[in-house]
Amino acid sequence: DQQVKQNSPSLSVQEGRISILNCDYTNSMFDYFLWYKKYPAEGPTFLISISSIKDKNEDGRFTVFLNKSAKHLSLHIVPSQPGDSAVYFCASSAVHYNQGGKLIFGQGTELSVKP
Amino acid sequence: DTGVSQDPRHKITKRGQNVTFRCDPISEHNRLYWYRQTLGQGPEFLTYFQNEAQLEKSRLLSDRFSAERPKGSFSTLEIQRTEQGDSAMYLCASSLGQPGQEAFFGQGTRLTVV
Repeated sequence: DQQVKQNSPSLSVQEGRISILNCDYTNSMFDYFLWYKKYPAEGPTFLISISSIKDKNEDGRFTVFLNKSAKHLSLHIVPSQPGDSAVYFCASSAVHYNQGGKLIFGQGTELSVKP
Repeated sequence: DTGVSQDPRHKITKRGQNVTFRCDPISEHNRLYWYRQTLGQGPEFLTYFQNEAQLEKSRLLSDRFSAERPKGSFSTLEIQRTEQGDSAMYLCASSLGQPGQEAFFGQGTRLTVV
C-alpha cells in the first residue's frame, strides 16, 4: 500500500524556468510534509516542510503548496538551476498520531535542469 | 559536529554471512531512525529509537535484523544470515524529536550480498 506517491519518475526543465514536482498521499492522518533532495551516493538532504495547518510555505527559490482536500502537495523551484538536478523525495508524517515521527516516502522524482 | 555519520560506506558480503552497520547521530538528537532504500524506491522505515529505547519496528524488519542503541548515542544494525534480497542502501537519520522537526540523514551504507 503506497501511502505517498510521486507519479513522475523524472522531469526535465530548462535552466531559469520553473520546476514543479508533485506528490499525492492517501493517509488522512498525515499532518506534516517534507521534501528531501538526494544526490547520488549521498543521503537525503532536507529541503523544505509544511504543516497541515498551512497551505503554502516559501524558502527562497523553493515553495511547497499543500491541498489537503485533494491530498496533494507540490514543490515549486523558481528559477531552476543546474545544481538543482537531483532526486527529490516527498515524505509525510502523522506527527500527532505517531509521536515517533517516522517518515513515509514517495518513490522520488529525478529532476534534470539543463543549461 | 558534522552531522550523521555511518560506517562503513560500502559492504560486500557473501550470502549467509552476518553484517553490522554503525550510525553516529547528531549529538543532541534523541531520536534515531533506520531506513532501507532499494533502487528506484524511496527510503522505507525500519525502526526508530527514542534515546536507548526501541519504540517501533516495521514489519520489514525480519527476525534476522536487530538494532541497538545501547547508551542512547550511536546505534548498530545487524543482519544475520544475509540474503541477496538484503542488498540495499541502509540509511540512518536522527532528529530532536520535537513535533514537526525534520530528520537529518547520514550518507548511508551500501550493502551488496553476493
